[in-house]
Amino acid sequence: EDKVVQSPLSLVVHEGDTVTLNCSYEVTNFRSLLWYKQEKKAPTFLFMLTSSGIEKKSGRLSSILDKKELFSILNITATQTGDSAVYLCAVNSGYSTLTFGKGTMLLVSP
Amino acid sequence: GAGVSQSPSNKVTEKGKDVELRCDPISGHTALYWYRQSLGQGLEFLIYFQGNSAPDKSGLPSDRFSAERTGGSVSTLTIQRTQQEDSAVYLCASSFVKARKTGTDTQYFGPGTRLTVL
Repeated sequence: EDKVVQSPLSLVVHEGDTVTLNCSYEVTNFRSLLWYKQEKKAPTFLFMLTSSGIEKKSGRLSSILDKKELFSILNITATQTGDSAVYLCAVNSGYSTLTFGKGTMLLVSP
Repeated sequence: GAGVSQSPSNKVTEKGKDVELRCDPISGHTALYWYRQSLGQGLEFLIYFQGNSAPDKSGLPSDRFSAERTGGSVSTLTIQRTQQEDSAVYLCASSFVKARKTGTDTQYFGPGTRLTVL
């Protein structure tokens, strides 16, 4: 059974801090790993990673994948209160369905 | 439309009643997915459509759950004889899946339907 584990489950930081969110996985046929941000209802897409060692970057957010050690990290630098959300990691094992982790709830305090 | 839309946004029903949830995917997207998110849980896959056919129904929790997709577009998820444990947010996503490129499509999510079964 495919499995995705995120850590920490929740995190509280101050504005301006840098955070690192973790995602480890065990899947039978890895194709891609995706990160989403969920604020209210709809998860919004952040990154898709398919190759090891290639950093994806968007503004203050960046992510990288290690296919040997089976994990990914999502970094957020200079955090803002608007970054407060649940961050979801999901893995696609080639059948077009996603297996999600339980998410990391990030709270950025002013 | 610009994104995936779902209706209704909220649904409150009594135990034992049937409900229908609707999803309008992004225009041109060939694949459509239904997920369920219960309180404190991750997203749980329910069913996947490619065009109008459902090659993967493995996530449907019981035979009370069914879904259809018509015209390669709109999908309806039906829950019959609802139970309290069906209470959750039901999320729909769509993607464009290129032939022989499964696994690297990006799924875009709708805002969900919050179902409460009393």
